[in-house]
Amino acid sequence: EVQLVESGGGLVQPGASLKLSCVASGFTFSDYWMSWVRQTPGKTMEWIGDIKYDGSYTNYAPSLKNRFTISRDNAKSTLYLQMSNVRSEDTATYYCTLGIGWFAYWGQGTLVTVSS
Amino acid sequence: DIAITQSPSSVAVSVGETVTLSCKSSQSLLYSENNKDYLGWYQQKPGQTPKPLIYWATNRHTGVPDRFTGSGSGTDFTLIISSVQAEDLADYYCEQYFVYPFTFGSGTKLEIK
Repeated sequence: EVQLVESGGGLVQPGASLKLSCVASGFTFSDYWMSWVRQTPGKTMEWIGDIKYDGSYTNYAPSLKNRFTISRDNAKSTLYLQMSNVRSEDTATYYCTLGIGWFAYWGQGTLVTVSS
Repeated sequence: DIAITQSPSSVAVSVGETVTLSCKSSQSLLYSENNKDYLGWYQQKPGQTPKPLIYWATNRHTGVPDRFTGSGSGTDFTLIISSVQAEDLADYYCEQYFVYPFTFGSGTKLEIK
């Protein structure tokens, strides 16, 4: 059974940095592209970016490219999202998803709240 | 970016009725090389994670009841829910994965009368 478990969310101050993690199990992690998607409190869904199975290539939403970095550690079956200089509009639930484009599997999400 | 417009924003139906949700794209999602539309649908029940329903515009994901039907091509797509059940109370989102950045619609809230 595919499982994606995110962690690392919480309350963070504007301008700070935060790193989210997603531990994957139930499939061969190193064979698949992985993605991050977020959902704001107002329910808006936004694709953040994705990373190739070997970590050699990434794509990002243009509006986030300069502040967010996606990486992975295939030995640990773990996906990461490094967020820097966070803003109030980054307040959202962040989901780790399996695949590229259309997402058949989602984690339970981790809530990030940006507030002073 | 491709803009995705969903309508209506909310709809209320009685159990057993059929409802049609619309999803329109600002440009065609049809790739002529493989004749596939890069459009998917998700269901998000209250307090839950989004769940996949439909991919390639018309293909049901594993385990999705056949009362959920995706149709359309190009720029106009629909999700038809036949014989709506109380458990179908949810938000429904469509998403294009034809070009980067992938984009979602704003969702349709399905309420049960």
